[in-house]
Amino acid sequence: DAGITQSPRYKITETGRQVTLMCHQTWSHSYMFWYRQDLGHGLRLIYYSAAADITDKGEVSDGYVVSRSKTENFPLTLESATRSQTSVYFCASSEWGADYEQYFGPGTRLTVT
Amino acid sequence: SQELEQSPQSLIVQEGKNLTINCTSSKTLYGLYWYKQKYGEGLIFLMMLQKGGEEKSHEKITAKLDEKKQQSSLHITASQPSHAGIYLCGALNAGNMLTFGGGTRLMVKP
Repeated sequence: DAGITQSPRYKITETGRQVTLMCHQTWSHSYMFWYRQDLGHGLRLIYYSAAADITDKGEVSDGYVVSRSKTENFPLTLESATRSQTSVYFCASSEWGADYEQYFGPGTRLTVT
Repeated sequence: SQELEQSPQSLIVQEGKNLTINCTSSKTLYGLYWYKQKYGEGLIFLMMLQKGGEEKSHEKITAKLDEKKQQSSLHITASQPSHAGIYLCGALNAGNMLTFGGGTRLMVKP
């Protein structure tokens, strides 16, 4: 199906574990983004990518790693999960950049125990 | 860094009533974006405002940008249950990325 998908939709993990959240888009959009959404903080940018093999940090990148070997995929890895990383994570894509319409995935709810 | 404050934080209205959500920036606005999030889902783009005084409408939703006041308002006319959700405003920051407000939770009572 066309669109932007995230997996898993729900994840529970333990402190210290490595977790990878997947994001896949079928539009061949150049830009992809990872956000986290927390009560009291709204939506904050973690990482973004302007094209395959080009990534850059956002506002809250500490503790996260991204890669983009293919245009359509943009996985987000928590190298050693902490409780403060409990959040809802959204992936988004845009054809031209953040200043154009972004298409959001359904989100992944991550709980770190 | 740029901050966006939305008001009110939450709102409950009776179906058929009009309502307004405000988004105020701590810095000059060079573009203002409105997104809607249904509970438990991702964000959906509503509209983008780029010029002072600009006003856009989509169905029963109208957004305006007041550059001087560094503020945007989102007005819903004759609200319906389908309007329920979280409305977020976003603005471009110095890094040309979007900074989002905290969101306004809207509930529409049938």
